[in-house]
Amino acid sequence: QSALTQPASVSGSPGQSITISCTGTSGDVGGHNYVSWYQHHPGKAPKLIIYDVDNRPSGVSNRFSGSKSGNTASLTISGLQAEDEADYYCYSYTDSISYVFGTGTKVTVL
Amino acid sequence: QVQLVESGGGVVQPGRSLRLSCAASGFSFSTHGMHWVRQAPGEGLQWVGVVRSDGNNKFYADSVKGRFTISRDNSKNILYLQLNSLRVEDTAVYYCAREDFSGYYSEYWGLGTLVTVSS
Repeated sequence: QSALTQPASVSGSPGQSITISCTGTSGDVGGHNYVSWYQHHPGKAPKLIIYDVDNRPSGVSNRFSGSKSGNTASLTISGLQAEDEADYYCYSYTDSISYVFGTGTKVTVL
Repeated sequence: QVQLVESGGGVVQPGRSLRLSCAASGFSFSTHGMHWVRQAPGEGLQWVGVVRSDGNNKFYADSVKGRFTISRDNSKNILYLQLNSLRVEDTAVYYCAREDFSGYYSEYWGLGTLVTVSS
């Protein structure tokens, strides 16, 4: 149950687009279309922003989009805004009937 | 609306036990799987375990298997996490989360309860 690999930090200027990668194995990210992404502001509950690789829950901005290729999933935030500054985690179901988070990425809006 | 409220956290010595609770409201508790997730200070989110809706099927992260036990009382709409043989590295904020019907993500989370393991 090793954590999925994410970059520790990503930054961008307001209005720019950024992409966060999430690399796993064929036993988790690559083997299932059950990757989700969470936005987490310190002291608050994590917020689901993408589920099943590329689906947005109702109420989540369409500036957030997800994709997957092989063992790597990606989250793209377009039109970056100050409120997007937070920690982001990918999450996947695994072959061993368990779940695993990514290592987390701190997004900074310059 | 869906609400999840964790409680039971506190300071405990290594080797001791603690039981966390998660009170659920605003949805049909008995029809959803429920997860526990934790975040140690300065660290990322870590999945702890899940109990399916009927309470009979439970799965755990390797790091807590044999020490932590998840249970639920569907008559009271409460989820539990029994933490035994606590270690300093179990210090974390513990969140409960409601599983979607598909079983692969959680849209609703509580605000967490802090467990500090220290001598």
